[in-house]
Amino acid sequence: DIQMTQSPSSLSASVGDRVTITCRASQGISNYLAWYQQKPGKAPNLLIYGASTLQSGVPARFSGSGSGTDFTLTISSLQPEDVATYFCQKYNNVPITFGQGTRLEIK
Amino acid sequence: EVQLLESGGTLVQPGGSLRLSCAATGFTFGKYAMSWVRQAPGKGLEWVATLSSGSGTVYYADSVKGRFTISRDNSANTLYLQMNSLRAEDTAVYYCAKDPYQISVDWFDPWGQGTLVTVSS
Repeated sequence: DIQMTQSPSSLSASVGDRVTITCRASQGISNYLAWYQQKPGKAPNLLIYGASTLQSGVPARFSGSGSGTDFTLTISSLQPEDVATYFCQKYNNVPITFGQGTRLEIK
Repeated sequence: EVQLLESGGTLVQPGGSLRLSCAATGFTFGKYAMSWVRQAPGKGLEWVATLSSGSGTVYYADSVKGRFTISRDNSANTLYLQMNSLRAEDTAVYYCAKDPYQISVDWFDPWGQGTLVTVSS
């Protein structure tokens, strides 16, 4: 099975900072990657699919890039409401797998 | 507005069975594949199963294969997960989620609010 590894596991940043989260696949997955945001006590919310396509309604400060094995999620200017855990997900085949998550806090 | 509402989660003994339901509204349910994803307390996300729109194609995670059965009733706009031979490690919040296509291994959007299954004696 393809393993998805996110880094860092947690990070703390200030409002207005540019934040980058990375996700690495153990094998190439082309651009079959999605990113989710999960706030405490809530269900995950889709941010990006196809590695770089922003889901409708998601703020433009979120962006995704990458292909093959290395991917990034970037928040261009961190806002207080972005406090959450972020997960990547690969879907090139089954089993579908997720990264372990990155917890983002405000400094 | 697309809405998914899970139900059926409860406390069950190891070895027991449980059926979860997911009621869908706001879209043509019968045109989309649907999935279950779970999250153990304080842990990450684990895909469980995916069922195509017409129930002809099904995928399971190895961890549940042979014990769980995903099904759907398109006339009732409802997705199900029959869970047998439950183990402590099946304890989790179970989410149902909509796939973007009829037969797909894809992203999930949206997700329901989840239902908690606790397996314990």
